[in-house]
Amino acid sequence: EAGVAQSPRYKIIEKRQSVAFWCNPISGHATLYWYQQILGQGPKLLIQFQNNGVVDDSQLPKDRFSAERLKGVDSTLKIQPAKLEDSAVYLCASSVTGGNSPLHFGNGTRLTVT
Amino acid sequence: GDSVTQMEGPVTLSEEAFLTINCTYTATGYPSLFWYVQYPGEGLQLLLKATKADDKGSNKGFEATYRKETTSFHLEKGSVQVSDSAVYFCALLPFGNEKLTFGTGTRLTIIP
Repeated sequence: EAGVAQSPRYKIIEKRQSVAFWCNPISGHATLYWYQQILGQGPKLLIQFQNNGVVDDSQLPKDRFSAERLKGVDSTLKIQPAKLEDSAVYLCASSVTGGNSPLHFGNGTRLTVT
Repeated sequence: GDSVTQMEGPVTLSEEAFLTINCTYTATGYPSLFWYVQYPGEGLQLLLKATKADDKGSNKGFEATYRKETTSFHLEKGSVQVSDSAVYFCALLPFGNEKLTFGTGTRLTIIP
């Protein structure tokens, strides 16, 4: 089966610019996650979708980050405006139903904010 | 809150050495525990898991036992290979919750 697809693979922007990341989960996976992985730290959940509804966005900095999954399939994560501390790898993951279902991760997008 | 503490790296071992990466957790109730691995240039992959006390997860020669009395889930392998070089993450999923919490990761390098 095809894995979780993410693009772009790398992105370099200046602070205060905006950026968007795209994720296409594994076909049939209802639950989609966006994680932020800062260098030297473990991934931190930003937002979780169940189909096209938000389940948990408690750690999403909503003043600058937004995410959507309009048709319950692929998803975009946007940062506007970016700050230096947003430099990280942004990981998308999907699972069949959430809960104890294993998460399948994409290769991530490495963002550098200068 | 729930948290995972991992052995700090980096860890460098010779091929065929015995590996232990320590992981302890803090959680209420009975979480599920996981080890994920991230090979260079790739995404995170589930390595093994255990969902209740005394369960042993195993995969690719790696093992970890869920120890409730010591709140630990240490990763072990009897004889490591160069291909095991990667970053290893311990993670927990609280019971009744879908929020996976990761440790900081341990970078493992195996030299021939």
